[in-house]
Amino acid sequence: GAVVSQHPSWVICKSGTSVKIECRSLDFQATTMFWYRQFPKQSLMLMATSNEGSKATYEQGVEKDKFLINHASLTLSTLTVTSAHPEDSSFYICSASREARQPQHFGDGTRLSIL
Amino acid sequence: GENVEQHPSTLSVQEGDSAVIKCTYSDSASNYFPWYKQELGKGPQLIIDIRSNVGEKKDQRIAVTLNKTAKHFSLHITETQPEDSAVYFCAAYSGGGADGLTFGKGTHLIIQP
Repeated sequence: GAVVSQHPSWVICKSGTSVKIECRSLDFQATTMFWYRQFPKQSLMLMATSNEGSKATYEQGVEKDKFLINHASLTLSTLTVTSAHPEDSSFYICSASREARQPQHFGDGTRLSIL
Repeated sequence: GENVEQHPSTLSVQEGDSAVIKCTYSDSASNYFPWYKQELGKGPQLIIDIRSNVGEKKDQRIAVTLNKTAKHFSLHITETQPEDSAVYFCAAYSGGGADGLTFGKGTHLIIQP
């Protein structure tokens, strides 16, 4: 195994609302989880790395106050897009690994559409 | 930081033929190179990976080769089947403080029946 579940798979909401996306490792404990963003027909761009029990490390250009990440347990990380706007519409994908620098296993992504 | 180049962006092959996708990387400290397959509307699925202490790895119809000197690695798929059609991403993983993967831009593999 190495199953990662992401929820919800699709969300549509109005501009200005906040949206929470959950990422769960179902059959293993994930010391490290990652959040990526993918635009249509493009590659995955790393947004942030989260380690259980510590603050997330954000990539350059990613607003930490906009994209709140919490990794409260070894099986759950959440990404909250605060005060979402249309430009935040994208495909957000999480991945998890048992420990740092081990293979990453991806969830099936969340398609976020902001009206 | 790491930079990963992937070619071609689109590859069309006849069913049963082989497909080869190539990637180069810039950071000589990179030591782990996974390949992912992404189907439409889904997350990437790890299909094979290789570490820098190995030159080649094979798993049934899929193989990956690594040339550390030239800093390039390739994915080889033999006896292609329609279900192999997808977007394939290579990635590299530096041994430094960064834990995230740097992905190539992807190759859309089309298997013609």
